[in-house]
Amino acid sequence: RKEVEQDPGPFNVPEGATVAFNCTYSNSASQSFFWYRQDCRKEPKLLMSVYSSGNEDGRFTAQLNRASQYISLLIRDSKLSDSATYLCVGVYNFNKFYFGSGTKLNVKP
Amino acid sequence: DVKVTQSSRYLVKRTGEKVFLECVQDMDHENMFWYRQDPGLGLRLIYFSYDVKMKEKGDIPEGYSVSREKKERFSLILESASTNQTSMYLCASSPGNRDRVNYGYTFGSGTRLTVV
Repeated sequence: RKEVEQDPGPFNVPEGATVAFNCTYSNSASQSFFWYRQDCRKEPKLLMSVYSSGNEDGRFTAQLNRASQYISLLIRDSKLSDSATYLCVGVYNFNKFYFGSGTKLNVKP
Repeated sequence: DVKVTQSSRYLVKRTGEKVFLECVQDMDHENMFWYRQDPGLGLRLIYFSYDVKMKEKGDIPEGYSVSREKKERFSLILESASTNQTSMYLCASSPGNRDRVNYGYTFGSGTRLTVV
């Protein structure tokens, strides 16, 4: 079983829609979590950290549910430029990162 | 901004060749990592290093070795390239366990290696 699992998608949504991705993790000892964004043929780039209290950055909201071992990313008012693959990451031992395989988002006009 | 630079963007090598992938970071980060990324498999950790001359195996170290002689440079070596090592290779760095706080990785732009 993979340490971090995501629905690969693709999620096809119209501009302006709200879309949510979930990601489950298997190791309850994981200390922290991140969401990364990866554009086609580019390297992953850090989008945001994920905290138990939830955190928001503009149109993006990330949430961690430790009891159910999942993290989520909510994107409001989707833009064409949000089209990308979103990777969730769980961190163990403060330095070992496990990446999900990514969820592909296509925002259409 | 932290910059992680990988020496080649695209590389084509023959089966059996020894291949060196170089990675340099300019922010004095303690930690450096090598991943490979394949469709459907995501990012998989090959090797990582917490300090100069220090290395640890990741999840898929077979067929690879690494070298970290200087803090800013982490090299991945394919001793004898094989076709199943055709992949996108990504180097990353992070500032380490300062106050036990996690920092996200910064990735290099990747090397797309094709072994023929």
